Amino acid sequence: NAGVTQTPKFQVLKTGQSMTLQCAQDMNHEYMSWYRQDPGMGLRLIHYSVGAGITDQGEVPNGYNVSRSTTEDFPLRLLSAAPSQTSVYFCASRIAGTTDTQYFGPGTRLTVL
Amino acid sequence: AQTVTQSQPEMSVQEAETVTLSCTYDTSESDYYLFWYKQPPSRQMILVIRQEAYKQQNATENRFSVNFQKAAKSFSLKISDSQLGDAAMYFCAYRRVSNTGKLIFGQGTTLQVKP
Repeated sequence: NAGVTQTPKFQVLKTGQSMTLQCAQDMNHEYMSWYRQDPGMGLRLIHYSVGAGITDQGEVPNGYNVSRSTTEDFPLRLLSAAPSQTSVYFCASRIAGTTDTQYFGPGTRLTVL
Repeated sequence: AQTVTQSQPEMSVQEAETVTLSCTYDTSESDYYLFWYKQPPSRQMILVIRQEAYKQQNATENRFSVNFQKAAKSFSLKISDSQLGDAAMYFCAYRRVSNTGKLIFGQGTTLQVKP
């Protein structure tokens, strides 16, 4: 199993550009989520999904869109990038039971100029 | 809303000694999970240890153990016989018992291990 994979690892955008951060998992996990990590603030939840076709907002959803058309993939879209979205982004997944451990991808470092 | 607080931005320990990282949380739930994650410079998030709130016994994983004080809402991590590879940022996290339960993280503690 590859686990949770994220692409790209690094990205530089200009203000106003759009892009999609890719996330995929091969563990058949129902639950997937996106976090952003900023210095001194830990990880904050952006969006999450409990299965294909079902998504919901987390703590900091503004400026981001998600969709979940398959169990394996959970892309995060930045519609119009802003410097405040400069961060490290983590995708995570777990079985949608109540006890299972969450697995994290390697992260994407995004810089918006 | 649930919150998690790590009041120690940075800690240091001498190699082979013991260090304790602090974490407090706030919740009105009676059943939940608590976690400690390690993030080395590689950026990968690695689960160190997990505690179920309904269990009175403190979780232990090799050199890592926790002191779970449910009434005080405290969840500290003790690292014994510290090694250079333990140097990392450590995050405390909370999740309620639910199919949609979301991880809520503290701010993190950077641990330095001195040779």
